[in-house]
Amino acid sequence: EPEVTQTPSHQVTQMGQEVILRCVPISNHLYFYWYRQILGQKVEFLVSFYNNEISEKSEIFDDQFSVERPDGSNFTLKIRSTKLEDSAMYFCATDQGALTSPKTDTQYFGPGTRLTVL
Amino acid sequence: RKEVEQDPGPFNVPEGATVAFNCTYSNSASQSFFWYRQDCRKEPKLLMSVYSSGNEDGRFTAQLNRASQYISLLIRDSKLSDSATYLCVVTPVDKLSFGAGTTVTVRA
Repeated sequence: EPEVTQTPSHQVTQMGQEVILRCVPISNHLYFYWYRQILGQKVEFLVSFYNNEISEKSEIFDDQFSVERPDGSNFTLKIRSTKLEDSAMYFCATDQGALTSPKTDTQYFGPGTRLTVL
Repeated sequence: RKEVEQDPGPFNVPEGATVAFNCTYSNSASQSFFWYRQDCRKEPKLLMSVYSSGNEDGRFTAQLNRASQYISLLIRDSKLSDSATYLCVVTPVDKLSFGAGTTVTVRA
C-alpha cells in the first residue's frame, strides 16, 4: 500500500538554527499538508499546498515557516530560525485528489518528524 | 468556542464491553467528518468517515447529527488493540480540524 514517508524521524537543533523537514507524498496525490502536534496537545493545521502554491495557512505559519516542492517529489517544510516552542511532532499529509478527480478530504499521514529545539 | 470539542476521557473498559463517545463542532459549514485513531507518539490514522445516514465498519459505528452539530463513535466488543486516542476531525475549509482526542483503554 502506498504511504507517505518523512525524514528525518527525529531532528535535534539549537534555537535560532534553520531546519528542513522532508516529506515524500503518495505518488499522483496533488494536495499536501503540514500539521504539528506539541506533546500532549492536539494536532494543529499549519499549511496546505496545491499546484505549487500555498492554498491556506494558519496563524501558526508565520514568516519563519516556508514550504516548497523543489523537485516534484519531495515536499519540504522549512523553519528559518527555530524557537523552543517549535518543538513538536510535524506530520505531512496528502489527499487522494488527483488530476482527474476532486480533492476527497481523506488525508493520509506520514509517520512524522519529531523536532526538538534546545 | 473551540472548533472541535471532545470528552478527553479516559474511558477505561473491560474487553468485550461497548464504549461510546461524542464530539461537537462549531462550524456549521463543515463538509466532511472523520474519526481518526492515534496511538502514542504515532501519526493519526483514518478510522472511518462519518456520514449523515450513519455508517458501520465492523465493530465501529459512527453517527453524524448536523442539526445538533455532533458526531459519535461507538465501539462494540472492545479488544485490547482498540486502546488508543480517538480523534474527531472535521473539514470546515481546506484543512482538517482536530479535536484533542478521547482516550480509550481496554483492559483484559
